[in-house]
Parts: sequence; structure tokens; C-alpha cells
Amino acid sequence: IAGITQAPTSQILAAGRRMTLRCTQDMRHNAMYWYRQDLGLGLRLIHYSNTAGTTGKGEVPDGYSVSRANTDDFPLTLASAVPSQTSVYFCASSERLAGGIEYTGELFFGEGSRLTVL
Amino acid sequence: AQTVTQSQPEMSVQEAETVTLSCTYDTSESDYYLFWYKQPPSRQMILVIRQEAYKQQNATENRFSVNFQKAAKSFSLKISDSQLGDAAMYFCAYRSAYGSYGGSQGNLIFGKGTKLSVKP
Repeated sequence: IAGITQAPTSQILAAGRRMTLRCTQDMRHNAMYWYRQDLGLGLRLIHYSNTAGTTGKGEVPDGYSVSRANTDDFPLTLASAVPSQTSVYFCASSERLAGGIEYTGELFFGEGSRLTVL
Repeated sequence: AQTVTQSQPEMSVQEAETVTLSCTYDTSESDYYLFWYKQPPSRQMILVIRQEAYKQQNATENRFSVNFQKAAKSFSLKISDSQLGDAAMYFCAYRSAYGSYGGSQGNLIFGKGTKLSVKP
């Protein structure tokens, strides 16, 4: 089934540990996004990538890094996890017209990764 | 910067009745998209309905319809004949149609959500 796959679905880790959340899409979308969802705050953008090889910071980027080596994969890394990074993380993708700045349609979301930092 | 406001943290509706969820947004752009996403307890984000700003006609999808008031920057969701399966968190979201350096990068800007309960 085409879509976005996130892994792991759930993880508990100790503060100070390094963690990478994986995201893979098979829709050949060139734009990808990472959001975090916290109760009462909705979803907030962490990082984005408009195309392979480029990334940018969103609303809440501190403590997170991303890479986009190819079209399909967009991993999110927490270099040294802290309890405030306890959240549900969503990866998303969408089409972006090649060579332009026009965006079309909706974002497609993965099923989320619940991360608990103790 | 664009903002999205959902003023109803929680709503409740009787099964088979109609409920309307409110959403307002702030933008200086003329071309954009508006969406309603549903998030059931499974936490999956499901697109309910979308509206292109250039379209005057309100979008409908089966029991779901919107009231899009561009001048008032209002985008409410009406759910008719509510079903138990409609119980979920509903998010209103805005997306610019065009990116810009230092500005929109095509991401969705979300409201904080409305939790809808459906009573049998």
C-alpha cells in the first residue's frame, strides 16, 4: 500500500540518549515535513525539506536535525533527548511542482511515532 | 505569519444530529488551501475535506460540508447525521498555495484542535 511509513511506532528512552525516527514514503513526493503533536498545542512544524538535498527549519527546530539524502527518506534525529521532547511525531509528504514554488493539495501523514523521554 | 484558531476545545453531539465546528484564520495571501483533518484515537491523520480559496462554492464530501467565508476568514465544518465513528479530534489547517523565501514552505499551519464526542 502506497504511503508513508514511520518507525518506531513507540519508543521510551533515557534522557541524553541519541534517537533517530525514520520516515519513508513511496509516493515520490518531493516535499516532506516533520511535526510534533502536543496536547493543547496542535501540530507544530519541526523541519521540512522541499526536495532531496535541501532542508529547512520550522517553528520548533531546536534539539532536532534532519537529512534528505534521497527523495524517499527523511529521518529525524534527536542528538541528546530531553524530557520536553516527549511527544507524538508525525512525518508528512506532499507534491510540489518541480522547478517552481507552487504547492498542490494536501499533506499525507504517517501513523506517528510516540516518543517518551525519561 | 498565518495563524489558525479553533475556539472550541471540545464539542458534543447526539448521534444522528448535526454539529458545526468553527475555524478562523488570519492571512494576507489571496491564494491558499484550507483543510479539515480528523484524528481518531488511532492517531492517524485523515483528510476530511479541502477547500481552494479561489473557489466560491463550498466543498462537500458526503455528510461533511464547509462554510467558507473568505472575506471573514472563516472556515467551519458541518457534520450531518453524526455517527459514533465521527468521534475524534478535528484539526483545521491552512496551506499557502505558493512558497516564498523566508516564508511559507508549503507546510500546513494547524489550529489547536476540537475534540468531538458523539453520544449514542
